Amino acid sequence: AQSVTQLGSHVSVSEGALVLLRCNYSSSVPPYLFWYVQYPNQGLQLLLKYTSAATLVKGINGFEAEFKKSETSFHLTKPSAHMSDAAEYFCAVSDRQRTVGNEKLTFGTGTRLTIIP
Amino acid sequence: DAGVTQSPTHLIKTRGQQVTLRCSPKSGHDTVSWYQQALGQGPQFIFQYYEEEERQRGNFPDRFSGHQFPNYSSELNVNALLLGDSALYLCASSLAGRGSEQFFGPGTRLTVL
Repeated sequence: AQSVTQLGSHVSVSEGALVLLRCNYSSSVPPYLFWYVQYPNQGLQLLLKYTSAATLVKGINGFEAEFKKSETSFHLTKPSAHMSDAAEYFCAVSDRQRTVGNEKLTFGTGTRLTIIP
Repeated sequence: DAGVTQSPTHLIKTRGQQVTLRCSPKSGHDTVSWYQQALGQGPQFIFQYYEEEERQRGNFPDRFSGHQFPNYSSELNVNALLLGDSALYLCASSLAGRGSEQFFGPGTRLTVL
C-alpha cells in the first residue's frame, strides 16, 4: 500500500524567508503526487501536481516542488514566505492505475505553516 | 462556473442516528470521491463513485454507504452513528483519468453527541 510521510507537523518561518515543506512517499512505482493547501474551515485547494517526466513542477501562489525518484521525495518550496501562506499543507499520492475511476488519494498527516511577521 | 458544492455545511446528530450528506461535482466532472478528515488529521479516503458504481473503497465499515446519480451528484450515508464519526466530510470531484486532479468542496462538519 502506498503511504506518504510529511516530516514536521509544524513549521514556522519568517515573512520573506524560504519555505520548505517535506514529503516522502512509499511506492514501488513512482506515483502521481500532489500538494494541497487547506485554510481554516475550508476544503482543500490544489497547489500543484506531478504526473509526468517534468521533475520540477510549478504551482500557484509561487510554490514549486521537485520530484526526486532516488530520494522518493516531493518537497514543496517557496522562495519568499508571505503572511497569506499561513495554512495547513497536505502532500498526497495516487496510483498510476490503468483503470479509470480508481484514482484515490492517500494523504499525509499535514504540516501547519506559521509565518512570523 | 460553480465548483464542488456540499450540503449541509454543519450537522449535529446523536449516537445511533443516521445521516445523509450531499455533493454536487464541478461542471464536467464524472467522478466523485468522499473523504473523512478528523480534527488535526489528513483526509482519509472513504470511497469513489464513477458511472454510478462504487469503484474503490477505503478502510471504512459498511455503515458508510453511498450513491451516485445520473447527473453525477452523490450522497454519503452513515448509519448507526458513533462518537468517532465526528469529522469534516469532504467531497471531491474529478474527470476520470490517470493523474487527474481532484477538486474539493468546502466540506460538511458532522458532530455526533
